[in-house]
Amino acid sequence: DTAVSQTPKYLVTQMGNDKSIKCEQNLGHDTMYWYKQDSKKFLKIMFSYNNKELIINETVPNRFSPKSPDKAHLNLHINSLELGDSAVYFCASSPKQGQGRDEQFFGPGTRLTVL
Amino acid sequence: EDKVVQSPLSLVVHEGDTVTLNCSYEVTNFRSLLWYKQEKKAPTFLFMLTSSGIEKKSGRLSSILDKKELFSILNITATQTGDSAVYLCAVGKNTGTASKLTFGTGTRLQVTL
Repeated sequence: DTAVSQTPKYLVTQMGNDKSIKCEQNLGHDTMYWYKQDSKKFLKIMFSYNNKELIINETVPNRFSPKSPDKAHLNLHINSLELGDSAVYFCASSPKQGQGRDEQFFGPGTRLTVL
Repeated sequence: EDKVVQSPLSLVVHEGDTVTLNCSYEVTNFRSLLWYKQEKKAPTFLFMLTSSGIEKKSGRLSSILDKKELFSILNITATQTGDSAVYLCAVGKNTGTASKLTFGTGTRLQVTL
């Protein structure tokens, strides 16, 4: 029943490690996103994929690499983790543009803590 | 640079009060304004507004957009403790292929008994 799901929910790791977060949506949406929410609750777009194609790439360190194997999945791989990467990462999806709907549907988030 | 500003940053009210949350914006290629409620986990969608002056309503929540003055308000009447959350305002812009949202920093609402 879950519309947008993410795994894992919590991730605690050491500085310098590489980790991945997975996201899946069963809403039939064409577009998926990754957001970072910092400790002050500010939610900022990182990437967006439309039908497996990268279409939004904000100013994000190239240690972050999104991958979309198909339009229902968008994974985020992070290399050489730093303390400042600690945050909650949200995946989201939205219907195809042109249908007059901008709303995005969010997953439950992955809380990443880098020690 | 696109900017979305929410006020107040936080608010404490008693159950039964009415609250008004504000959102102002400066965005190029504006297309829509959205309100989300965030409790402990994911933001959940409340409203999307695209036209000025048309109120959207859902139960005790309502919202309106003023595209001339570049702001929106979210009203909650007869507040309940379950309304305690962070309310996020976001502005959608036309990018051609995706709905790009710029979020404000949110208003933290606490409803006490």
